[in-house]
Amino acid sequence: DAGVIQSPRHEVTEMGQEVTLRCKPISGHDYLFWYRQTMMRGLELLIYFNNNVPIDDSGMPEDRFSAKMPNASFSTLKIQPSEPRDSAVYFCASSPASEQYFGPGTRLTVT
Amino acid sequence: QKEVEQNSGPLSVPEGAIASLNCTYSDRGSQSFFWYRQYSGKSPELIMFIYSNGDKEDGRFTAQLNKASQYVSLLIRDSQPSDSATYLCAVTGTGRRALTFGSGTRLQVQP
Repeated sequence: DAGVIQSPRHEVTEMGQEVTLRCKPISGHDYLFWYRQTMMRGLELLIYFNNNVPIDDSGMPEDRFSAKMPNASFSTLKIQPSEPRDSAVYFCASSPASEQYFGPGTRLTVT
Repeated sequence: QKEVEQNSGPLSVPEGAIASLNCTYSDRGSQSFFWYRQYSGKSPELIMFIYSNGDKEDGRFTAQLNKASQYVSLLIRDSQPSDSATYLCAVTGTGRRALTFGSGTRLQVQP
């Protein structure tokens, strides 16, 4: 079975540009999570969805960040405008119940 | 106080020894507890989860949970150099599906 798929795997962009990260969860998983990992702050939840509905977005840093899940097989995380402090690895994870399975991540560098 | 605390390590053990990794959490309502392994530059990989007090064994891994002491641990028997990685403890908070992660313990298994 295919795991969680994320694209792109690496993204380098300039400050002020829009960045869109994509995620395809494991088929049949009702929950989808977006996390961010940095050396300073570790792994942090940004937002999660249940059956395509956002449930908890308390971790979204500010209005520059937005996430959507238009259907059960696709989600996006958008940053507009991007800033150097957004540089991190962004992980998507999906879950059928309680255990979560992570995608390979997108390494974002904002210069 | 951090919600999930782990010793950052590194924890160094010789090959074949038992590695013991520890984690404490602050939310008494936490229901589910997870251990993830993360190799450098890779995504977190789920290796164990436990919901009830006591021990749960899976191959060389044993997870131990003590809710009264708010303590969860991971034992790795017959440690191998390939076990060298960062081990992340994660907990679901009261009424939440999202995971709160500790900062991780780096394990080094010496050949």
